[in-house]
Amino acid sequence: DGGITQSPKYLFRKEGQNVTLSCEQNLNHDAMYWYRQDPGQGLRLIYYSQIVNDFQKGDIAEGYSVSREKKESFPLTVTSAQKNPTAFYLCASSIKRPNYGYTFGSGTRLTVV
Amino acid sequence: ELKVEQNPLFLSMQEGKNYTIYCNYSTTSDRLYWYRQDPGKSLESLFVLLSNGAVKQEGRLMASLDTKARLSTLHITAAVHDLSATYFCAVDQDQGAQKLVFGQGTRLTINP
Repeated sequence: DGGITQSPKYLFRKEGQNVTLSCEQNLNHDAMYWYRQDPGQGLRLIYYSQIVNDFQKGDIAEGYSVSREKKESFPLTVTSAQKNPTAFYLCASSIKRPNYGYTFGSGTRLTVV
Repeated sequence: ELKVEQNPLFLSMQEGKNYTIYCNYSTTSDRLYWYRQDPGKSLESLFVLLSNGAVKQEGRLMASLDTKARLSTLHITAAVHDLSATYFCAVDQDQGAQKLVFGQGTRLTINP
């Protein structure tokens, strides 16, 4: 079955450490997105990519980096510059037609220890 | 900058009652989406509304869109406990890229 796979499900980061969250889709979707969700809050856009080798900053890109070397993959790196990284991270993908909205992955819960 | 506001943010209701969640947005858009999120889980797509006057229904949930008023509603009819969840609306802010801006979410609790 097609879908989006995020890994790991839980991730613990030490102070000053970079960590990378994986997002892989087999839906043949062109666009991919990373959102951050804080407890009791809505979703905020970190980065998005519409085609391979191209991506744009969202509303809260500082302290994060991404790459889009393959259509299927859009990994997110949380760098040490992100001072408050504890959150639930959601990856999504979409086709260019608006009829379907986003398909979301199951999420990665990142905690700073 | 597009802003999306939902109200209420918290809603506790009895089974069997009806209620409505409102989603207002600040700039012109004719593409609005509703999602459901269970605690600790990802988001599940409920409705896609793509034109003024669009109405979609699934079971006890019905969503509508008024693009002139920049308002969408999610109506719950004869609520049941299984509908307890957080509901998000999202508006497409970029006609070319499909970039969604989400509301804060409405946490719905349905009591027996």
